[in-house]
Amino acid sequence: NAGVTQTPKFQVLKTGQSMTLQCAQDMNHNSMYWYRQDPGMGLRLIYYSASEGTTDKGEVPNGYNVSRLNKREFSLRLESAAPSQTSVYFCASSEMAGAGDQPQHFGDGTRLSIL
Amino acid sequence: DQQVKQNSPSLSVQEGRISILNCDYTNSMFDYFLWYKKYPAEGPTFLISISSIKDKNEDGRFTVFLNKSAKHLSLHIVPSQPGDSAVYFCAASGTGSARQLTFGSGTQLTVLP
Repeated sequence: NAGVTQTPKFQVLKTGQSMTLQCAQDMNHNSMYWYRQDPGMGLRLIYYSASEGTTDKGEVPNGYNVSRLNKREFSLRLESAAPSQTSVYFCASSEMAGAGDQPQHFGDGTRLSIL
Repeated sequence: DQQVKQNSPSLSVQEGRISILNCDYTNSMFDYFLWYKKYPAEGPTFLISISSIKDKNEDGRFTVFLNKSAKHLSLHIVPSQPGDSAVYFCAASGTGSARQLTFGSGTQLTVLP
């Protein structure tokens, strides 16, 4: 059971470069999410997709774009990377967005460093 | 401002004893609370949750208590085991603008053998 798969696991970029983080889930979930985790700050929501064909901003969307490619895949793009975007990025999925009794399932993260 | 707060960055407990992890929240619109556990280099995994209509939920060694009047919840682990050593995140969701999960900053639990 793969669950939520993120690629790549590690990446180093130079300031100004672009990059797309990939996420795929095999649980037939409707909703998918992108978070970033920084030291001492927990997980903060960047963007989410409540269902295929929809995307919405989260708490910290600036500098990012997303694409819900199909029900399985949700990608996060950094168009012009900045050192402040150095972080660990987690993708998650759940049956339905905003349903408290349906926990989110997380991938193992992408560790991104921007020099 | 942090709507979900975990004021203890770390906690050390002896194996076999009780671990108590605390979480406070400020948003009255939160009506569902979850605890996630995270090992290094892995994603968070769901541990236990509680609805605001309850004040206690138990699952094996793990019990979550909710005090709505104090806007406080706690996770009890009894007995604690070395494999419980991890970062524990408290999270909350609710209605309207609070529909999406809001996470606390986490507490590193270390269970000493």
